[in-house]
Amino acid sequence: DTAVSQTPKYLVTQMGNDKSIKCEQNLGHDTMYWYKQDSKKFLKIMFSYNNKELIINETVPNRFSPKSPDKAHLNLHINSLELGDSAVYFCASSIGLHNQPQHFGDGTRLSIL
Amino acid sequence: DQQVKQNSPSLSVQEGRISILNCDYTNSMFDYFLWYKKYPAEGPTFLISISSIKDKNEDGRFTVFLNKSAKHLSLHIVPSQPGDSAVYFCAASIQGAQKLVFGQGTRLTINP
Repeated sequence: DTAVSQTPKYLVTQMGNDKSIKCEQNLGHDTMYWYKQDSKKFLKIMFSYNNKELIINETVPNRFSPKSPDKAHLNLHINSLELGDSAVYFCASSIGLHNQPQHFGDGTRLSIL
Repeated sequence: DQQVKQNSPSLSVQEGRISILNCDYTNSMFDYFLWYKKYPAEGPTFLISISSIKDKNEDGRFTVFLNKSAKHLSLHIVPSQPGDSAVYFCAASIQGAQKLVFGQGTRLTINP
């Protein structure tokens, strides 16, 4: 019973394609996040949703569109994939209060050919 | 503009000894700090945190120290065990920002 689960774990696709990554949490948390870990291993925030409402959009290209159908799910759709999109994408969740840790999924490794 | 820095990419420690991982930050608005541990092909796992109103927090073998004047925090693991071998990330946040700013990680290897 994984707390934060992402699918797929690996995604290999060609430039120009559109793909989606799904994330679900069963922790009852109100806030969910997407982070990107690039080739230099930095983990950087992309988006944050609180109760299905967008809170943070950290200057991410509009080819990336998060969708939160309910507070337990936050999916990430990426249009017109580019080589620079190759990275590991992590979903996380928290109870949304300050001074509370975020809990991460195991990541989706996206490789663009 | 890297606001959280872990200047040691790697650290090797003998089993049973103390491991000390360091982290520096530049933004004085940060008021909550966390350490995460990450194994290959897994997500970061929360380890321990500290609020800026404290200078020390302890949980079993793990202790985090915060020096606000130096904008420095450290994670002490004692005694170190082989299962502690992983990449350790420090992270920081600002009240109301609802995001974590991560350092680039330190790979800790515990040698038997």
